Amino acid sequence: DTAVSQTPKYLVTQMGNDKSIKCEQNLGHDTMYWYKQDSKKFLKIMFSYNNKELIINETVPNRFSPKSPDKAHLNLHINSLELGDSAVYFCASSLGLGGGGTQYFGPGTRLLVL
Amino acid sequence: AQKVTQAQTEISVVEKEDVTLDCVYETRDTTYYLFWYKQPPSGELVFLIRRNSFDEQNEISGRYSWNFQKSTSSFNFTITASQVVDSAVYFCALSLTTSGTYKYIFGTGTRLKVLA
Repeated sequence: DTAVSQTPKYLVTQMGNDKSIKCEQNLGHDTMYWYKQDSKKFLKIMFSYNNKELIINETVPNRFSPKSPDKAHLNLHINSLELGDSAVYFCASSLGLGGGGTQYFGPGTRLLVL
Repeated sequence: AQKVTQAQTEISVVEKEDVTLDCVYETRDTTYYLFWYKQPPSGELVFLIRRNSFDEQNEISGRYSWNFQKSTSSFNFTITASQVVDSAVYFCALSLTTSGTYKYIFGTGTRLKVLA
């Protein structure tokens, strides 16, 4: 009965590969997010979808492409992985659009690019 | 521009001491929300509290308390009688909607080490 789940939990891959991270929430929320946390623990929002519509698209390389097939899922596809993509990627969800919704985070996906 | 500053990079205390984690935010908007999250060594992000800009009432939850002061743009977090299990990185965050754009800004975090 995990609220926000991500798969895989760990991902080790070679430079140049393409990989996807999946996120699912069973909280009935309508807004989902992707964050990147680097080795210094800095957390930065990457994308947000509300009812499958992209509402936040921060300055992120276009090698990163989010896809939201429905309100409960938000996947992150990364093309041509680079060393600098190594980080922990967190998915989150909230109810409602805008600042008032409390975000609940998934457990994170630890990506290591070799 | 909006910003969240957590000036304390790392704090070490001995168990049972009280500790306050500082958070200073910047925004010109009148409607915004402030949050605190805990990230224990296991890595997950745990929601602790949400406060909107119109509610300056302080809150206490067990050993945790929060002091929101708009006059100083601060939202500080105090742990009373700290325990080893409180060791974690704590993030303060600001969210708001400005000019139709949604913003979610996290501070750089404060690493709290509680020593037995």
